[in-house]
Amino acid sequence: DIQMTQSPSSLSASVGDRVTITCRASQSISSYLNWYQQKPGKAPKLLIYAASSLQSGVPSRFSGSGSGTDFTLTISSLQPEDFATYYCQQSYSSFTFGPGTKVDIK
Amino acid sequence: QVTLKESGPVLVKPTETLTLTCTVSGFSLSNARMGVSWIRQPPGKALEWLAHIFSNDEKSYSTSLKSRLTISKDTSKSQVVLTMTNMDPVDTATYYCARRWNGMDVWGQGTTVTVSS
Repeated sequence: DIQMTQSPSSLSASVGDRVTITCRASQSISSYLNWYQQKPGKAPKLLIYAASSLQSGVPSRFSGSGSGTDFTLTISSLQPEDFATYYCQQSYSSFTFGPGTKVDIK
Repeated sequence: QVTLKESGPVLVKPTETLTLTCTVSGFSLSNARMGVSWIRQPPGKALEWLAHIFSNDEKSYSTSLKSRLTISKDTSKSQVVLTMTNMDPVDTATYYCARRWNGMDVWGQGTTVTVSS
């Protein structure tokens, strides 16, 4: 099975900050990597698919990069509505979610 | 408009079998490249993928839970059903179904299942 790790597990940031979250796969997954945002009590929301493709309707301050085993989600200028937990997910071999990164207010 | 909605029991007893139904609208379960997954989230914990069914009826399961899970679909009813046997209190969670196309792009609201005697 493919295992996913994320770092950091949590971070504190201010509005306007640039935020970077890293996701690593236990083996190469090409670009089969998706990113989700989840707010408390809500279902996850797809942000990025295929490592770098922005889902329709998602603000352009979100971007994704990487291939193989190492991937990054970047929020270029953090907004109040971006405080949430972020999950990566591989879809190369079945599906696996990462453990999540909680972004809260500094 | 694409929607998914989960339904099933709120409370199950240990050792019982859980049956959850995901009713979809706005797309067909026979559409190529589309499929439906079940994902769960215990309180305060991370998302865990459980099972997936493809448009061609191929199925995929979480390795750790494979022996307890069965996923199926009824295209005419626009429903995907997940059964999980031998429920335990650690299976208490919110269970989601989600459409997979480019990523899991549409999710249901989730249904909370508590396992307790």
